[in-house]
Amino acid sequence: QKEVEQNSGPLSVPEGAIASLNCTYSDRGSQSFFWYRQYSGKSPELIMFIYSNGDKEDGRFTAQLNKASQYVSLLIRDSQPSDSATYLCAVISNFGNEKLTFGTGTRLTIIP
Amino acid sequence: DAGVIQSPRHEVTEMGQEVTLRCKPISGHNSLFWYRQTMMRGLELLIYFNNNVPIDDSGMPEDRFSAKMPNASFSTLKIQPSEPRDSAVYFCASSPRTSGVETQYFGPGTRLLVL
Repeated sequence: QKEVEQNSGPLSVPEGAIASLNCTYSDRGSQSFFWYRQYSGKSPELIMFIYSNGDKEDGRFTAQLNKASQYVSLLIRDSQPSDSATYLCAVISNFGNEKLTFGTGTRLTIIP
Repeated sequence: DAGVIQSPRHEVTEMGQEVTLRCKPISGHNSLFWYRQTMMRGLELLIYFNNNVPIDDSGMPEDRFSAKMPNASFSTLKIQPSEPRDSAVYFCASSPRTSGVETQYFGPGTRLLVL
């Protein structure tokens, strides 16, 4: 079992709709959770991080964490063509450790 | 700030040759990370340093790989001898770790092709 799992997609969403990206992780003791966006041929860039159960909102992005279900998701509201990218979920297992374990990413395409 | 700088941006070499990748972290950042990204395995952490000291090298695939950080502004990742399966994009990232968890800022990557 992979430590961090994501559906590779591609996930196609109409412009203006909500895109929902999901991630599960295997280490129940994981402490910190991150969403990175990676455009084709570019490097990853951090969108959001979340530590506590519940929702965290930042503009059009909402991260949701459910530690009991070992599940973290990213919602993108009012999807734009510029949101088309691969979204990487990453987890840090031990607080104070900086080692990020990444999922293989979900490729998102926003259809105009 | 110029961001994380990596060189070369592209490298094509033949199997058996030595490859050296270079990274200059963002000034003031005290943690540095080396990642490898492939289609099959995704983005994997190879090694990371804090204050120039290697903290976790469990991701280094084998003895052919070595990494150094002689000072706060420079790190190298060396592959000797290189093999075709080493072909990947290698990213360097840095973070201004003070306490807790800090954002990792990625460099543009080095695209390595081993023939």
